[in-house]
Amino acid sequence: GAVVSQHPSRVICKSGTSVKIECRSLDFQATTMFWYRQFPKKSLMLMATSNEGSKATYEQGVEKDKFLINHASLTLSTLTVTSAHPEDSSFYICSAKPGTSSTEQYFGPGTRLTVT
Amino acid sequence: GQQLNQSPQSMFIQEGEDVSMNCTSSSIFNTWLWYKQDPGEGPVLLIALYKAGELTSNGRLTAQFGITRKDSFLNISASIPSDVGIYFCAGGPAGGTSYGKLTFGQGTILTVHP
Repeated sequence: GAVVSQHPSRVICKSGTSVKIECRSLDFQATTMFWYRQFPKKSLMLMATSNEGSKATYEQGVEKDKFLINHASLTLSTLTVTSAHPEDSSFYICSAKPGTSSTEQYFGPGTRLTVT
Repeated sequence: GQQLNQSPQSMFIQEGEDVSMNCTSSSIFNTWLWYKQDPGEGPVLLIALYKAGELTSNGRLTAQFGITRKDSFLNISASIPSDVGIYFCAGGPAGGTSYGKLTFGQGTILTVHP
């Protein structure tokens, strides 16, 4: 149980284009999903917290207009990187938290974004 | 904000050896979680701890929630090559409206030589 999928696993896009990443909880409902960014051999950096049916809460320094998050259902959250630039190239990982009382987060397999 | 200090940053060990890593914090947590991340993959939850003093095992893994609620350790016994990866500790909030945000340690990179 507690499986989270992400799509796509890898994406290469040209500078200036937008990219959408999907995160799905496959066998549970997730009232809260999280989006992280990770640099090589570094820890996970929380970008935003996404609650179903409400606006995402962004961490300090994360541009909400650049990283659009939509949590339209209890099993799906999307992250759209708008007008991507090479410095946005990174490993993006989502996680999902079952229910409102759980602290455990279950992670997706990640999406490797390369902006050329 | 809250920070976790995870050590060691990296470990190079021989297959069969035991491994120990720990996390400490200046703040208290209500939950301690340990994750393992393989290259190019997302972290996988290994052990979750919910009570101060709790000692939990999962196969060759053993983790403890410190009695002060400010630290936790993870032990791996009789390491094997597939234990290679990055191990992260994470602390769960002690209250407030953080929606369950986790605070992560910097990670311990484990290399196991056959």
